[in-house]
Amino acid sequence: AQSVTQLGSHVSVSEGALVLLRCNYSSSVPPYLFWYVQYPNQGLQLLLKYTSAATLVKGINGFEAEFKKSETSFHLTKPSAHMSDAAEYFCAVSEKTSYDKVIFGPGTSLSVIP
Amino acid sequence: DGGITQSPKYLFRKEGQNVTLSCEQNLNHDAMYWYRQDPGQGLRLIYYSQIVNDFQKGDIAEGYSVSREKKESFPLTVTSAQKNPTAFYLCASSIRTGQNYGYTFGSGTRLTVV
Repeated sequence: AQSVTQLGSHVSVSEGALVLLRCNYSSSVPPYLFWYVQYPNQGLQLLLKYTSAATLVKGINGFEAEFKKSETSFHLTKPSAHMSDAAEYFCAVSEKTSYDKVIFGPGTSLSVIP
Repeated sequence: DGGITQSPKYLFRKEGQNVTLSCEQNLNHDAMYWYRQDPGQGLRLIYYSQIVNDFQKGDIAEGYSVSREKKESFPLTVTSAQKNPTAFYLCASSIRTGQNYGYTFGSGTRLTVV
């Protein structure tokens, strides 16, 4: 069965500092992997996705993530945090054989300190 | 612009009432989904539909019902059998082409029992 864990329910960084949000997954078959962002009282917006092409995936707003099969990880990074990055971030996984079944992680709330 | 429209944005339900949440998309997506979001629990799948006139239960379908009479519309009814309906409800849609390109989400409906 698939599952997603996100280490750290809350992460705080200073403006201009590196953002690192961790995501580990379990899947018995090659997965699709996603990062979504959610601003307060809004829906989720797709940041980036891994679909078995390049292992380093670039997304919107300067974010990127690297798929590491050996570590079953898909951590999200951004070199320099902006105040506008403060939001909830969700990692998600689906199996290529069952792409309707997307499993979301519990989310990480990112705070950016001026 | 194409997208998903959820209405209303806020909804109040009295004990014993059924309420219906609207979800409309103009993206020509085949698949549609309903998720429930509670603080600290991520997103949980209620129902999903891959084609018109067909839908499947998700992980927490009890107390909910759906219909898919048109490709564009996937309304969710929260029945009186749902004992704890207060939550943020998100509708999503996706293309079905053999690869998971990710979901497009609506802006959500916040349901409160009064």
